[in-house]
Amino acid sequence: DTAVSQTPKYLVTQMGNDKSIKCEQNLGHDTMYWYKQDSKKFLKIMFSYNNKELIINETVPNRFSPKSPDKAHLNLHINSLELGDSAVYFCASSQEPSPRGKLFFGSGTQLSVL
Amino acid sequence: AQKITQTQPGMFVQEKEAVTLDCTYDTSDPSYGLFWYKQPSSGEMIFLIYQGSYDQQNATEGRYSLNFQKARKSANLVISASQLGDSAMYFCAMREEYNNNDMRFGAGTRLTVKP
Repeated sequence: DTAVSQTPKYLVTQMGNDKSIKCEQNLGHDTMYWYKQDSKKFLKIMFSYNNKELIINETVPNRFSPKSPDKAHLNLHINSLELGDSAVYFCASSQEPSPRGKLFFGSGTQLSVL
Repeated sequence: AQKITQTQPGMFVQEKEAVTLDCTYDTSDPSYGLFWYKQPSSGEMIFLIYQGSYDQQNATEGRYSLNFQKARKSANLVISASQLGDSAMYFCAMREEYNNNDMRFGAGTRLTVKP
């Protein structure tokens, strides 16, 4: 069983479209995250949720909207896609928001905006 | 401000030799955790090793060890007996208790193991 699963793995779309990436974790963790990895491999946190409550919202365009229907799911919806949104998006989870907690990552979603 | 610094964009090591990947960090929080992740070309993020700020001993996990020098704010990863499968990107990361505990990453080091 995959601990953190995200779908789709690849997403190719046109500028201006709206798309969603889904993430589910079966680890019973309280905290979930979205990270963006750019073409230079830099990983930047976008959002974090703890027990369905938004904790971190970095400086991300409001075209990006996370939604957590329950603590096992954190989806990412992106409106009006732009070329600069092309990146790999990782979902992750940890047991709690603590300095000790390692993150478990999904396999990533490669988003290509044409 | 960049809190995690990895100064080596790329490193080469001969198979079976040891290699050290550098990581320095900046924090005023006394409670923090340091992590290393490996990202092979397949793209997944693999947790390697963890060091807590209050841990007295350096962390070790198999061939991985963390050279933790608290006063110098460095947390270098040492990989012993390098294998070809160690070729990957390596990321140093930190979680701070006062900073919502989010995990921040360095820019990464690309390690290439030569046969």
